[in-house]
Amino acid sequence: GQSLEQPSEVTAVEGAIVQINCTYQTSGFYGLSWYQQHDGGAPTFLSYNALDGLEETGRFSSFLSRSDSYGYLLLQELQMKDSASYFCAVPFVGNTPLVFGKGTRLSVIA
Amino acid sequence: DSGVTQTPKHLITATGQRVTLRCSPRSGDLSVYWYQQSLDQGLQFLIQYYNGEERAKGNILERFSAQQFPDLHSELNLSSLELGDSALYFCASSLGQNSYNEQFFGPGTRLTVL
Repeated sequence: GQSLEQPSEVTAVEGAIVQINCTYQTSGFYGLSWYQQHDGGAPTFLSYNALDGLEETGRFSSFLSRSDSYGYLLLQELQMKDSASYFCAVPFVGNTPLVFGKGTRLSVIA
Repeated sequence: DSGVTQTPKHLITATGQRVTLRCSPRSGDLSVYWYQQSLDQGLQFLIQYYNGEERAKGNILERFSAQQFPDLHSELNLSSLELGDSALYFCASSLGQNSYNEQFFGPGTRLTVL
């Protein structure tokens, strides 16, 4: 089958580190993407992992394990402005359109 | 600002009507994607055009159609509107034809069907 799972909600304290997990099941695999969406806003691209390992971009990092069909988005030094929904996305069958997870709503509290 | 523009920002119409949503991609981008986002369904892919040709189709209803013009702008036509079509419609663009390329989203059109 085909599936994409991520937690629906996560709450974390300002200044802390939070990890948002994503597991997928696909017939083929081209890579895992992450998008951020603030309330009332448009999704914005954060990262794309095609190979195993950790990729870092400032306070955000994204990890992929192809053998485990698993990835995560790591947000460090959390700020209030990081409160948003985070979506993982994969093309389900080979090079096909992205399928987005249902999103993880991150709330950063003081 | 992603560089992708969408018009109108808001649209309120009645059931049974037809509307057209417009999207202009970032300069140089050849792919245009259309997505529907509703509270219960998340972000759903509708259709993709690449350089004027239909590239991929998602779960797009037969009442919906789209096209990409020679200047690469795109229009999404929604007809025989139903209450359930109320949603946020996003257009995104990317340079290449692969969906995993970074996609740049427009601000969206909020459609309300009464």
